[in-house]
Amino acid sequence: AQSVAQPEDQVNVAEGNPLTVKCTYSVSGNPYLFWYVQYPNRGLQFLLKYITGDNLVKGSYGFEAEFNKSQTSFHLKKPSALVSDSALYFCAVRDRTGGFKTIFGAGTRLFVKA
Amino acid sequence: ETGVTQTPRHLVMGMTNKKSLKCEQHLGHNAMYWYKQSAKKPLELMFVYSLEERVENNSVPSRFSPECPNSSHLFLHLHTLQPEDSALYLCASSQDSGGNYGYTFGSGTRLTVV
Repeated sequence: AQSVAQPEDQVNVAEGNPLTVKCTYSVSGNPYLFWYVQYPNRGLQFLLKYITGDNLVKGSYGFEAEFNKSQTSFHLKKPSALVSDSALYFCAVRDRTGGFKTIFGAGTRLFVKA
Repeated sequence: ETGVTQTPRHLVMGMTNKKSLKCEQHLGHNAMYWYKQSAKKPLELMFVYSLEERVENNSVPSRFSPECPNSSHLFLHLHTLQPEDSALYLCASSQDSGGNYGYTFGSGTRLTVV
């Protein structure tokens, strides 16, 4: 069965510092992996995806994520955090073997302090 | 606007009421989804429609009834709901049936059952 774990409910970082939001996953085959961001009173917005190829994926707003197959992780990173990055971040996984389910994690709230 | 529009944005209903949530996309996407978002819980997939056919019903109680009259519109009909059904209901669409390239989400309907 597919599953996604975001081990941190909240991440706090100072503006200008690098940030990491962690995600680990479990699927029976090779995964499609995604990150989404949710601002207050809004739906989720797509940030980036890993399908195949280079393990380092670049996305919107300067975010990137690193796919690590051996550790079954897909951590979200940004070299220099902005206050405006404060939001709720969701990791998601979809099994390539078929079906229509994309499984989402519980979300990690990121606070960036000025 | 993301291309997926949900109405109403907020809804308060009694347990004996009947109401409907509406979702509309004009992105030319082939699949549409209903998700339930409750605080500090992973997003819960409720229903999936691919090319106007329901392909996934994730053990959702019968008090929730989806309808997909065409590829651009998706409804969620609600009746005799319970207070624990209060949540943010998110509609999403994807280019392919399965979401291999990610979803586009609407801003959601905040539902309160009293």
